[in-house]
Amino acid sequence: GAGVSQTPSNKVTEKGKYVELRCDPISGHTALYWYRQSLGQGPEFLIYFQGTGAADDSGLPNDRFFAVRPEGSVSTLKIQRTERGDSAVYLCASSPGPNTEAFFGQGTRLTVV
Amino acid sequence: KNEVEQSPQNLTAQEGEFITINCSYSVGISALHWLQQHPGGGIVSLFMLSSGKKKHGRLIATINIQEKHSSLHITASHPRDSAVYICAVRGQGAQKLVFGQGTRLTINP
Repeated sequence: GAGVSQTPSNKVTEKGKYVELRCDPISGHTALYWYRQSLGQGPEFLIYFQGTGAADDSGLPNDRFFAVRPEGSVSTLKIQRTERGDSAVYLCASSPGPNTEAFFGQGTRLTVV
Repeated sequence: KNEVEQSPQNLTAQEGEFITINCSYSVGISALHWLQQHPGGGIVSLFMLSSGKKKHGRLIATINIQEKHSSLHITASHPRDSAVYICAVRGQGAQKLVFGQGTRLTINP
């Protein structure tokens, strides 16, 4: 596609459930980022992939959060045992490589009830 | 204290006014980004700069590396410019972006 695609656009889940959020980056972009944005705040970094490997996962808040990018393209952010505090917009961005402009998806709005 | 501070947090102006949004940061950076976010929408990159000044249409971004400060200017503002404008920096040796809290701009007709 022309841009970064995130699915689903909205997800409502019950506390304690497992969720997966998907990101399709722009074709050929080697760098992929996940950010989380709470209401009224700027996005916060979660994890950065260069190719298939997680080059920086220092932003993942705890071990309930995990992300993969097995073929260096599509990435999945996985959240186990969801909590109400996980409710936020999860943003994915990709860029052609390190130190280049980032292109953002529309985000997935996660609501944990 | 946040690494990236924006001011003002909210700004309301009349159509046609000259707009300035400021961003100060506390760390050494390799690049600074200005981004635009419409309500319910995704984030669009406006500028990436590491020195000097860039211009695109009615938008101008400047950066002073020594003072760790950047400004985003909008000339001849229009109601369609209403959005949240976010400053983000990439630290030296890092790839992640660290974001400011955003400036909510409202341009009234």
